[in-house]
Amino acid sequence: ELKVEQNPLFLSMQEGKNYTIYCNYSTTSDRLYWYRQDPGKSLESLFVLLSNGAVKQEGRLMASLDTKARLSTLHITAAVHDLSATYFCAVPGGGGGSNYKLTFGKGTLLTVNP
Amino acid sequence: GAGVSQSPSNKVTEKGKDVELRCDPISGHTALYWYRQSLGQGLEFLIYFQGNSAPDKSGLPSDRFSAERTGGSVSTLTIQRTQQEDSAVYLCASSLHGNTIYFGEGSWLTVV
Repeated sequence: ELKVEQNPLFLSMQEGKNYTIYCNYSTTSDRLYWYRQDPGKSLESLFVLLSNGAVKQEGRLMASLDTKARLSTLHITAAVHDLSATYFCAVPGGGGGSNYKLTFGKGTLLTVNP
Repeated sequence: GAGVSQSPSNKVTEKGKDVELRCDPISGHTALYWYRQSLGQGLEFLIYFQGNSAPDKSGLPSDRFSAERTGGSVSTLTIQRTQQEDSAVYLCASSLHGNTIYFGEGSWLTVV
């Protein structure tokens, strides 16, 4: 059974600081997704990482994927209040050989304080 | 349309009633997914449609749940004889070739 673990689950940080969210998964996968969710809203796609060593950046967020270590990181640089949200990673392969069923981590609730 | 559209956005229903939730995917997207998000269970896969292939229903929690997709586009998720544990946000998503998967705003279901 595919397990996806995120840590930390709760992150409170000050504006201007840097931090990294980690996503570990238990079985082989060649892709990984990062989503952002604001309270009461749906999931907004941030990154799709499609290969080992993939790195993508958008603004203050940078995501990377190491398929050998089964690890993805979401790095936040110089955080601002607008980044406050819950961040989810998701890995396809929820069983039965499917490469489309996403298994989600529990999410990281990020709060950026002034 | 511009994004995945879901209706209703909010639904309060009495225990034992049937509900239908609708999803209109992004035009041209062949893959359509239903997920459920609840506090206790996080995000759970329910069902997947891809083109004309038989859907993967392996995530449906009980036989009270069913879904169909007509004409390769709009999908309806039906919950019969609703129970309180069915209260959750039901999220529909669509994609083309399985890369970026776009989610709708969700249907918030409350069973009282």
